[in-house]
Amino acid sequence: AQKITQTQPGMFVQEKEAVTLDCTYDTSDPSYGLFWYKQPSSGEMIFLIYQGSYDQQNATEGRYSLNFQKARKSANLVISASQLGDSAMYFCAMREGTSGSRLTFGEGTQLTVNP
Amino acid sequence: DAGVTQSPTHLIKTRGQQVTLRCSPKSGHDTVSWYQQALGQGPQFIFQYYEEEERQRGNFPDRFSGHQFPNYSSELNVNALLLGDSALYLCASSWRLKGRRRTYGYTFGSGTRLTVV
Repeated sequence: AQKITQTQPGMFVQEKEAVTLDCTYDTSDPSYGLFWYKQPSSGEMIFLIYQGSYDQQNATEGRYSLNFQKARKSANLVISASQLGDSAMYFCAMREGTSGSRLTFGEGTQLTVNP
Repeated sequence: DAGVTQSPTHLIKTRGQQVTLRCSPKSGHDTVSWYQQALGQGPQFIFQYYEEEERQRGNFPDRFSGHQFPNYSSELNVNALLLGDSALYLCASSWRLKGRRRTYGYTFGSGTRLTVV
């Protein structure tokens, strides 16, 4: 079974609008962390935001926020005020407490920001 | 402060050959993980090195091996290359508290793009 599911292969958004990228996860470990990374065409994985399973509040980092719904096992990334430079591949990843520090990634969502 | 450095950036090899990829971790990081990212897919965990030993391994054959040096830098070796080994190979460095499995500060490099022909 997929541990991380990203159901949107591609998303389009107009510049300056907000966009939500979906991520659902599957784990029986009570301790886990959820990450979002941005991967431009250059290949580097750029860390965006982190949410721990015991965190009481949703994580926010500048224009990025994470809509964490623990009961539904979802961790959607919200990008506000989209910019042309946000066009890239976005990956959701999970680190389970029992897995040490390995990350399990989803298949990614290709975001295109239109002017 | 340099981040994670990987070399080479691109590489073309022939089936059956062997390849070595290199990674220098971010300053202050002592743990190196390697991932394989096939075209159009998410990265897959290969293995992780800490204190010059392989600590965790993903579902990859023994053709994939690695090494970590005293300065924390690392190499990924792939023997008997197959066409299916063509991928972007990403190195990620992090640091850990002594005696703990969890690491912090995951930072990725830009990767080495390997093409097997």
